[in-house]
Amino acid sequence: GDSVTQMEGPVTLSEEAFLTINCTYTATGYPSLFWYVQYPGEGLQLLLKATKADDKGSNKGFEATYRKETTSFHLEKGSVQVSDSAVYFCALRGAGGYNKLIFGAGTRLAVHP
Amino acid sequence: DTAVSQTPKYLVTQMGNDKSIKCEQNLGHDTMYWYKQDSKKFLKIMFSYNNKELIINETVPNRFSPKSPDKAHLNLHINSLELGDSAVYFCASSQEPGAGNNEQFFGPGTRLTVL
Repeated sequence: GDSVTQMEGPVTLSEEAFLTINCTYTATGYPSLFWYVQYPGEGLQLLLKATKADDKGSNKGFEATYRKETTSFHLEKGSVQVSDSAVYFCALRGAGGYNKLIFGAGTRLAVHP
Repeated sequence: DTAVSQTPKYLVTQMGNDKSIKCEQNLGHDTMYWYKQDSKKFLKIMFSYNNKELIINETVPNRFSPKSPDKAHLNLHINSLELGDSAVYFCASSQEPGAGNNEQFFGPGTRLTVL
């Protein structure tokens, strides 16, 4: 079945460091790909998405490119802030309908001043 | 003006009890979902309703029974609670699955602790 694999955390960075969180997927057909963010004590919020190969999703300085050849959707940010500390989830929505999201295990990011 | 709301926020109960979690959305969406997030933050879909009809039913014990009285509400009833049911339960909603923009909006979660 469809699945998402994320790098294990926690990821600990200093403010203004470069961030990469790796995400790879397994799916039949052409899934849509998402990054969600969960701030402490809150629900998930959509951060960015890409619906077809070579699409780049971007939001709040975060970017991810849908790479069909490597089945990847890595999250990047050039300069992280303390306020970016959260848990980041990579997810896919398969082509089978019903809007079913399959999530990776989540990666906790801690940014220190 | 909360988009997706859940009650209660925290629920502590004894093993064997029956409890319900309520979810309401004011976004006018047709589809609602329940997700379970375990202690390791792993998040998995449990159910989805579209226009009050069950469309996703993952491998969930039948002690869990979702109920959708109308499109704006999806409640989760759990019978005979077990220790392993301790988790954070998230409700979400979206436009119908075939819609052009069917982003899922999540509620703040209900932390269930079974003692």
